[in-house]
Amino acid sequence: ETGVTQSPTHLIKTRGQQVTLRCSSQSGHNTVSWYQQALGQGPQFIFQYYREEENGRGNFPPRFSGLQFPNYSSELNVNALELDDSALYLCASSLVGKQETQYFGPGTRLLVL
Amino acid sequence: SQQGEEDPQALSIQEGENATMNCSYKTSINNLQWYRQNSGRGLVHLILIRSNEREKHSGRLRVTLDTSKKSSSLLITASRAADTASYFCATDAKNSNYQLIWGAGTKLIIKP
Repeated sequence: ETGVTQSPTHLIKTRGQQVTLRCSSQSGHNTVSWYQQALGQGPQFIFQYYREEENGRGNFPPRFSGLQFPNYSSELNVNALELDDSALYLCASSLVGKQETQYFGPGTRLLVL
Repeated sequence: SQQGEEDPQALSIQEGENATMNCSYKTSINNLQWYRQNSGRGLVHLILIRSNEREKHSGRLRVTLDTSKKSSSLLITASRAADTASYFCATDAKNSNYQLIWGAGTKLIIKP
């Protein structure tokens, strides 16, 4: 167990809808990253938050947005869902001073119909 | 885009045998990590090797890093059925603020 939790575990949405995924990490984890993992592929970096501010972004459009809260929780929001957004979404958090090692939650599997 | 490429894409061996997986990457890195993923669930950190290290051991795991060839290998000795999983390498490129770039993974199957 990494101490990182995600909710919900599974989600089904239709094209055009909006979705919010949640992640909760441990006390002291001040960095959270979100990844998208398509079936059979490696994770793709979406963005990272450090002290509640975006600290880097991968090659994802602006309809992917996030928030990080003071209580070590974070959200990934996706607007105008597309079929290709169907994937496993993983959040990972890091300890202060040890950001190179990331602790992953179990993921949320999103299916867009 | 993917930074790393794992080789082979899939590997099936008998329990007790050794399993070797390789990873190649493209840019200069701070470190390289290996993770395991069971059945499309969360990723579990296995081992981290820094760019100034050449070899590292952890239990039945041995990782090597060749920065001149931009490649790494993961050796799992005396494999067990529980080692069945997908294995990914991830690189932390220089000046990247710890943003991990991943390969596509090697699917390892251990036959009892």
